Amino acid sequence: GNSVTQMEGPVTLSEEAFLTINCTYTATGYPSLFWYVQYPGEGLQLLLKATKADDKGSNKGFEATYRKETTSFHLEKGSVQVSDSAVYFCALIDLNNNNDMRFGAGTRLTVKP
Amino acid sequence: EAQVTQNPRYLITVTGKKLTVTCSQNMNHEYMSWYRQDPGLGLRQIYYSMNVEVTDKGDVPEGYKVSRKEKRNFPLILESPSPNQTSLYFCASSLFRDREDRRGNEQFFGPGTRLTVL
Repeated sequence: GNSVTQMEGPVTLSEEAFLTINCTYTATGYPSLFWYVQYPGEGLQLLLKATKADDKGSNKGFEATYRKETTSFHLEKGSVQVSDSAVYFCALIDLNNNNDMRFGAGTRLTVKP
Repeated sequence: EAQVTQNPRYLITVTGKKLTVTCSQNMNHEYMSWYRQDPGLGLRQIYYSMNVEVTDKGDVPEGYKVSRKEKRNFPLILESPSPNQTSLYFCASSLFRDREDRRGNEQFFGPGTRLTVL
């Protein structure tokens, strides 16, 4: 079956530090990949997405590249801010399997001033 | 404004007392889904629906029921809640893409319902 594995948290960084959150996936088909962000007390919001191999999704300074050869979709940001503190979820959707959607366990990021 | 709404946002109840959490979307989405979020487990799908009158079990359907009588609404029913159903619940909706459509169908999430079963 399909699954997503992302690095365990929590991750604590100082402001302006470089961020990487690793995400790898297993899929029977050719999925689309997503990163969602959940701010305290809120629902999940789409951060970025990539629908085919070598696509790069980007938004708000975050980037992730769809690497089919390594089945990965790592999230990066060059300089984090306190306002980036949130929980980040990697996810996939399998259009060949009734739009089956799978989420990683989530990684909590705390950015300190 | 395009959105997914859930009610109630917070609920404390007792074991065995039937409850319903409502979910509504105004984006004309075919696909709707319920998840529960528990620490260390991420989001796990409870039930999903690909269109009106079409529902199917997700990964953790035991103890839950759903219905999809209208396109916009997808209520989650707990007939006899138990303490292990204490969790944060999210409803989500999206367009239903077929396998040839690579645009991706990101899900739009409601704000969540925090349920405590005593």
